[in-house]
Amino acid sequence: NAGVMQNPRHLVRRRGQEARLRCSPMKGHSHVYWYRQLPEEGLKFMVYLQKENIIDESGMPKERFSAEFPKEGPSILRIQQVVRGDSAAYFCASSPQGEDYGYTFGSGTRLTVV
Amino acid sequence: SQKIEQNSEALNIQEGKTATLTCNYTNYSPAYLQWYRQDPGRGPVFLLLIRENEKEKRKERLKVTFDTTLKQSLFHITASQPADSATYLCALTGTRGYQKVTFGTGTKLQVIP
Repeated sequence: NAGVMQNPRHLVRRRGQEARLRCSPMKGHSHVYWYRQLPEEGLKFMVYLQKENIIDESGMPKERFSAEFPKEGPSILRIQQVVRGDSAAYFCASSPQGEDYGYTFGSGTRLTVV
Repeated sequence: SQKIEQNSEALNIQEGKTATLTCNYTNYSPAYLQWYRQDPGRGPVFLLLIRENEKEKRKERLKVTFDTTLKQSLFHITASQPADSATYLCALTGTRGYQKVTFGTGTKLQVIP
């Protein structure tokens, strides 16, 4: 079991471009979460998804950000028209159904906007 | 507003001693509290989960306590080793039946040989 796979590990985008971050959850996990982390700051919740459904997107900016978890394939976090302030580490986590499981995190994608 | 507070100052302890990290929360009635470890440049790693009706949980050299009256959790690492040096994150699940987890900012632990 390869764990939670995120790619790319590092992504450099110019201002105004689009960034696509991918996350494949652990096998058997039906819940996916995206978090953002700035240097020396904590993990900030962005969005919680199950297959084909967004459960909670309260942490995601209303503009330029979107997320999906299709029936087939990885979860995608998409940032349109990136700005310098979007530079951060983006972590994906997954968990099985049920509340009393910890999350399994991926290694993150480090987005740098130049 | 809801807050999870961890000591932002780094904790330095001597190898072999017990490290104790604190997590305080306000305006939460968490169903579960979790602790994670994060190394630089890596994703957090789940360590322990404790339920609201549990006072204490242990796993090898780790011990977590959960006091819902004080709104506090303590995380202990006994016989600490330099390899335990990392940032430790406290996380809460606020609502039963809903799996979103909110993280504290973490405490950096340095174990000195």
